[in-house]
Amino acid sequence: DAMVIQNPRYQVTQFGKPVTLSCSQTLNHNVMYWYQQKSSQAPKLLFHYYDKDFNNEADTPDNFQSRRPNTSFCFLDIRSPGLGDAAMYLCATSSQQAINEKLFFGSGTQLSVL
Amino acid sequence: AQRVTQPEKLLSVFKGAPVELKCNYSYSGSPELFWYVQYSRQRLQLLLRHISRESIKGFTADLNKGETSFHLKKPFAQEEDSAMYYCAPLVPNNLFFGTGTRLTVIP
Repeated sequence: DAMVIQNPRYQVTQFGKPVTLSCSQTLNHNVMYWYQQKSSQAPKLLFHYYDKDFNNEADTPDNFQSRRPNTSFCFLDIRSPGLGDAAMYLCATSSQQAINEKLFFGSGTQLSVL
Repeated sequence: AQRVTQPEKLLSVFKGAPVELKCNYSYSGSPELFWYVQYSRQRLQLLLRHISRESIKGFTADLNKGETSFHLKKPFAQEEDSAMYYCAPLVPNNLFFGTGTRLTVIP
């Protein structure tokens, strides 16, 4: 059974039109991550939540925001998508009970920007 | 600059041949190191982690602090090993991925 669920699997939006990607988890993990993976590139960490504490990576554009209303859900908001934001967006969770806990990934949402 | 390097984007080996996927890192301190794998049409998942000193699906990875390397090895490649492999240091509590190596095992 999927433990980290991302919806939708494919998302198409228009240039400049706000879009929200969602992630939910059944693992009760306290840490949730958002990664951006462009074609043929490595997943790049955008930000993460440690419980309710938001941690942004220094080079994440302001265009990208996130919300975590509760433990189970985390959203990625792209306020004004550009063509360069077309990518696979991966959500991941970890329990962080130990420093080397593994990450559990969702299947990702493939975002297209027209 | 802190980074992780996987020098081979593509690697092809014949079934039964040994395989080594290279990973070099340049992070200060002693990061925890992981290998993640993504099989075709599946989600990214943990293959193995340094701290566990484990062998998963016949793969092992040795940390060489002198060379700052964490190469992934398997003595006899199988067709089902064909996948994308990412080396990933945990720095300090966040996982950063290398550019990945696509391994193809030729029957």
